[in-house]
Amino acid sequence: DTEVTQTPKHLVMGMTNKKSLKCEQHMGHRAMYWYKQKAKKPPELMFVYSYEKLSINESVPSRFSPECPNSSLLNLHLHALQPEDSALYLCASSQFLTPSSGRITDTQYFGPGTRLTVL
Amino acid sequence: EDKVVQSPLSLVVHEGDTVTLNCSYEVTNFRSLLWYKQEKKAPTFLFMLTSSGIEKKSGRLSSILDKKELSSILNITATQTGDSAIYLCAVGIQGAQKLVFGQGTRLTINP
Repeated sequence: DTEVTQTPKHLVMGMTNKKSLKCEQHMGHRAMYWYKQKAKKPPELMFVYSYEKLSINESVPSRFSPECPNSSLLNLHLHALQPEDSALYLCASSQFLTPSSGRITDTQYFGPGTRLTVL
Repeated sequence: EDKVVQSPLSLVVHEGDTVTLNCSYEVTNFRSLLWYKQEKKAPTFLFMLTSSGIEKKSGRLSSILDKKELSSILNITATQTGDSAIYLCAVGIQGAQKLVFGQGTRLTINP
């Protein structure tokens, strides 16, 4: 099973709203990712969690706040967004092994995404 | 700066044709190269190529990694309309838990 689920599928919010995106995987992966994807562009990395700890923040504005409550769940809290934040938000997960394991675990499995519209 | 470039950016062919998509990379410390297919929403994983696995094949799709030329190709034979999608190439970097994506190739298969 290589399924990553995301909710909601679509979200429309005003600039003063607070909302959250949710992502879940049950593959035992210990690395989870948030990406933002604009039309006709590749996914753009936002955050990486490794073993439930934030390991990479790609200089994302503070109106996006990630949270990893446990090894299966990843949330993205949204507050005071701008219309230019409208995009497809993708979650992904992958195994995380130490370099000494000798295995390469770069394969990321993506969820279906949340289509976000900010009015 | 790590960079992945795909070509062509867009390709339109007829059903039954064979297509070759290209991906070249300039990265500090290469670890792997991955191909994804993206239709409406989520990218779906196709192949991962590494120094120990430079050629992969699945049905009508195949991919080769050329470490000397710092590039990879994705071949699709006997194309079908269901192959229409954006094909993304991504590179994994040693010491970094992230992928560097190319811009994608938009492939359209006409009946």
